[in-house]
Amino acid sequence: AQTVTQSQPEMSVQEAETVTLSCTYDTSESNYYLFWYKQPPSRQMILVIRQEAYKQQNATENRFSVNFQKAAKSFSLKISDSQLGDTAMYFCAFMVRFNKFYFGSGTKLNVKP
Amino acid sequence: EAGVAQSPRYKIIEKRQSVAFWCNPISGHATLYWYQQILGQGPKLLIQFQNNGVVDDSQLPKDRFSAERLKGVDSTLKIQPAKLEDSAVYLCASSLEAGMIATNEKLFFGSGTQLSVL
Repeated sequence: AQTVTQSQPEMSVQEAETVTLSCTYDTSESNYYLFWYKQPPSRQMILVIRQEAYKQQNATENRFSVNFQKAAKSFSLKISDSQLGDTAMYFCAFMVRFNKFYFGSGTKLNVKP
Repeated sequence: EAGVAQSPRYKIIEKRQSVAFWCNPISGHATLYWYQQILGQGPKLLIQFQNNGVVDDSQLPKDRFSAERLKGVDSTLKIQPAKLEDSAVYLCASSLEAGMIATNEKLFFGSGTQLSVL
């Protein structure tokens, strides 16, 4: 089965602080890619960061970085220097053969001023 | 480049009525997806097209939902008749490649259609 588990339905963080969102996944595929998507109230999903599973080095994108633990099938997202504009739903996902994507249930992040 | 276009943005209908959603993917994108997102949940794939063909429609309720992709470009998703549990956001997405697994691949999403069935 292909599954994504996000165990934190909702989180809060103070502006300028750091927060980590958790994600675990399960797949029998050996070749896959991992993603974090952000969905603000406007509903449009925006790619935050992408990780190739064959790469050991963790991806970073400005204030966003991941901690990828392949053996544990864990893919957490760290947001540094949180900003009010980071308030959104965050979805963890992975892609396997034939460009099939699987999404988690999401974590609602609230950045407080 | 222009993004994924969807219309309408909102739709309110009564149960047993029919409704249709339209999607225009990014130009040149081979793969098109329709997702259903119920409030508080992640996107659930309804159907995936690669060019003109269907790759996966295993979770599409075929007794009431239908979808087509015209000439491998635009797509329409229809619900007939609608049920209360169909209330959700319907997201269209596209990706560039069509193949076993594409490197540097990612999904581009439209803004979705919020459907309310009363």
